[in-house]
Amino acid sequence: NAGVMQNPRHLVRRRGQEARLRCSPMKGHSHVYWYRQLPEEGLKFMVYLQKENIIDESGMPKERFSAEFPKEGPSILRIQQVVRGDSAAYFCASSPSNGEAFFGQGTRLTVV
Amino acid sequence: AQSVAQPEDQVNVAEGNPLTVKCTYSVSGNPYLFWYVQYPNRGLQFLLKYITGDNLVKGSYGFEAEFNKSQTSFHLKKPSALVSDSALYFCAVSYGGYQKVTFGTGTKLQVIP
Repeated sequence: NAGVMQNPRHLVRRRGQEARLRCSPMKGHSHVYWYRQLPEEGLKFMVYLQKENIIDESGMPKERFSAEFPKEGPSILRIQQVVRGDSAAYFCASSPSNGEAFFGQGTRLTVV
Repeated sequence: AQSVAQPEDQVNVAEGNPLTVKCTYSVSGNPYLFWYVQYPNRGLQFLLKYITGDNLVKGSYGFEAEFNKSQTSFHLKKPSALVSDSALYFCAVSYGGYQKVTFGTGTKLQVIP
């Protein structure tokens, strides 16, 4: 059973471009979470999704950020018109309906 | 709102000595408490959890944590530190289930040979 898969591992974008981060949850996991880790900081919750539903997006910036978890395929975190302050490690985690979360290795986004 | 605090940014301990990484949580219902470890340029690895039952929880790599309700603490401990334990440790809490886990700011553990 493969773990949580995130790709790409590293992503470089110029200011103003779009960044798309992908997360494939562990088999059998129906819950996906996205966290952001800024340099020298802890993890900040961004959004919690179940298949085709956003359950809690209280940690998502109001503009430019969006997330989805379609019926088929990976969960996507999309950042439009990236700025330097978006540079961070973005971690995805998945869990079954009642169990602890398992994390992917993260996508490190660098905005130049 | 749920929250968790890790009062120490860094903990230094000599190899072979016992280690403690501190964590306290805000009170609201029955918390689920977790410890995760992050090695450099890696994702988070689950170490252990407390849901209910025995206050002393044993986890991976010889780590354990003690749930103390009166002090609202969940400190991570290990009897004998290894250099390979050097990493960033995160305490986390959720209420009413596993969803929306809130993380502390992390404590960097440095084990000195």
